Amino acid sequence: ETGVTQSPTHLIKTRGQQVTLRCSSQSGHNTVSWYQQALGQGPQFIFQYYREEENGRGNFPPRFSGLQFPNYSSELNVNALELDDSALYLCASSTPGTGNSPLHFGNGTRLTVT
Amino acid sequence: AQSVTQLDSQVPVFEEAPVELRCNYSSSVSVYLFWYVQYPNQGLQLLLKYLSGSTLVKGINGFEAEFNKSQTSFHLRKPSVHISDTAEYFCAVSPVYSGASKIIFGSGTRLSIRP
Repeated sequence: ETGVTQSPTHLIKTRGQQVTLRCSSQSGHNTVSWYQQALGQGPQFIFQYYREEENGRGNFPPRFSGLQFPNYSSELNVNALELDDSALYLCASSTPGTGNSPLHFGNGTRLTVT
Repeated sequence: AQSVTQLDSQVPVFEEAPVELRCNYSSSVSVYLFWYVQYPNQGLQLLLKYLSGSTLVKGINGFEAEFNKSQTSFHLRKPSVHISDTAEYFCAVSPVYSGASKIIFGSGTRLSIRP
């Protein structure tokens, strides 16, 4: 069973730039969620994708966008990077459910914005 | 809306001592409850979950948690900790029938084990 993989593991960008983070979901999982974890805090829900459609969104501005592909892999795009976007970005896959499906997390991408 | 409060940001304990990590939640609807663990430089791993039924839930690595609906709490316990339990622990909730697994996390409790 292949787990959730994220790439790259680390990334350094300059304020105002754009970034794309990638995630391959665990085998058999067709739902992908993205979380932002700032230093010393818990993960914050960004959005979730199911069957290539956005299926729930947290309190993040539109410059955070995503995609899900037919093979259930996913991308997180962030435009016009700000210093506060520096964080660990976590991808998690799950089976579709009514709130009871546990999340399987990747190890994250550490984004630093300078 | 839902929120999760983890009452202790850090908990230091001696090896082989018991530990309790406290979690309270707020929600206007029924929720599922979870505890996740995050080891350094890794993602989160599910420890245990409460969906329904018995209020005492057993998880991996000898951890257990008890759901108390009247106190809206879901405290995590282990009778005897090991050095390998050093990690960050997150309590989380998810609304029942939300249509999406939108899991809301607390701010975490750092468990440090002293030899």
